[in-house]
Amino acid sequence: DVVMTQTPLSLSVTPGQPASISCKSSQSLLHRDGKTYLYWYLQKPGQPPQLLIYEVSNRFSGVPDRFSGSGSGTDFTLKISRVEAEDVGLYYCMQSILLPYTFGQGTKMEIK
Amino acid sequence: EVQLVESGGGLVQPGGSLRVSCAASGFTFSSHTLSWVRQASGKGLEWVSTISGSGANTYYADSVKGRFTISRDNSRNTLYLQMNSLRVEDTAIYYCAQETPVTPFEHWGQGTLVTVSS
Repeated sequence: DVVMTQTPLSLSVTPGQPASISCKSSQSLLHRDGKTYLYWYLQKPGQPPQLLIYEVSNRFSGVPDRFSGSGSGTDFTLKISRVEAEDVGLYYCMQSILLPYTFGQGTKMEIK
Repeated sequence: EVQLVESGGGLVQPGGSLRVSCAASGFTFSSHTLSWVRQASGKGLEWVSTISGSGANTYYADSVKGRFTISRDNSRNTLYLQMNSLRVEDTAIYYCAQETPVTPFEHWGQGTLVTVSS
């Protein structure tokens, strides 16, 4: 199975400040079709996960441009340029290059 | 608007069975692969099972293989997960999720809680 490892597991951020989450996969997520199958989800309290970023760096429809994704191969990063109160929740990276699809452990973001 | 509504969760004893359902609307049901993803209380997300649009292809996590069966009724726009030989560790919220060209899990339901306890 592809193991997804996120760091940190929790962070507390002052509104208006940046935040960054790292995700490392145990094997490359670059497919022979040229796409890299790495996604970022946010699960707000009491809600199902919602897609933020797909294929490393593509913002999903309606996602604010303060969210950005980067990386390649096995190392990926989600950045929030200026955290807002509504960004609180659990952030997960996920891979779909191989079954079983696997998620990172989750990073809990709180607002100071 | 895509809607996925899970139902059928509840309390069941270890070794028992339960079937959860996911009623879908707002899209051409038979054209989309669907999945079940679960989340134990205070824990992370775990992919459980996936079924192709026609139902011909199914996939399972090792943790549920041989105990759970995913199926769909394309005439009723409904996805199912039959869970047999349930274990305490199967206790979780079970979400259904719709695959699109963007991601395996684009739209999610609100989930249904399955509790396995004596």
